[in-house]
Amino acid sequence: KNEVEQSPQNLTAQEGEFITINCSYSVGISALHWLQQHPGGGIVSLFMLSSGKKKHGRLIATINIQEKHSSLHITASHPRDSAVYICAVRFSGTYKYIFGTGTRLKVLA
Amino acid sequence: DAGVTQSPTHLIKTRGQQVTLRCSPKSGHDTVSWYQQALGQGPQFIFQYYEEEERQRGNFPDRFSGHQFPNYSSELNVNALLLGDSALYLCASSRSTGNYGYTFGSGTRLTVV
Repeated sequence: KNEVEQSPQNLTAQEGEFITINCSYSVGISALHWLQQHPGGGIVSLFMLSSGKKKHGRLIATINIQEKHSSLHITASHPRDSAVYICAVRFSGTYKYIFGTGTRLKVLA
Repeated sequence: DAGVTQSPTHLIKTRGQQVTLRCSPKSGHDTVSWYQQALGQGPQFIFQYYEEEERQRGNFPDRFSGHQFPNYSSELNVNALLLGDSALYLCASSRSTGNYGYTFGSGTRLTVV
């Protein structure tokens, strides 16, 4: 069964803290997305990864294909980073993405 | 360069009615996928359209149908609406060649009363 697991489910941090959100999946993939969703809002794609590491501003995403694991890091977190972060995976041989349950992040000022 | 455009943004329908949601993909994208996101849950794949045909379908009943037009835009139709169909419906577009990166629309929030 193709599965995507995220941890933690909920995360509260103080402004300025370094944050890590993890995503594990069960079988080989073609691509992995990290997405951000604000309450009541649509989804924004932050990164698409198939290997290695990507950085955009204070956000860093890494993927380890052998370990079937990806992480999203936020450096110097800010209250505006408060959102739900979702890992979405496209497994090899399929067109659809399977979404993790999301990590609800709240950054306190 | 416009991203993915969905319309309408919000919609209220009565149980048993039919609804049509619309999606215009990002420029250069030829593939459109539809997802349903119930409150507090992750998006669930409904189907994907490519070359005006349904290429893959998720575990949704036949009440959910779609269409893709020659300009790559797409419609999602839901017949005989149920209260449980209330959700955020997301459209995502991608390019069939290359690394299949997704661009999401902001969604249509459907409320069935």
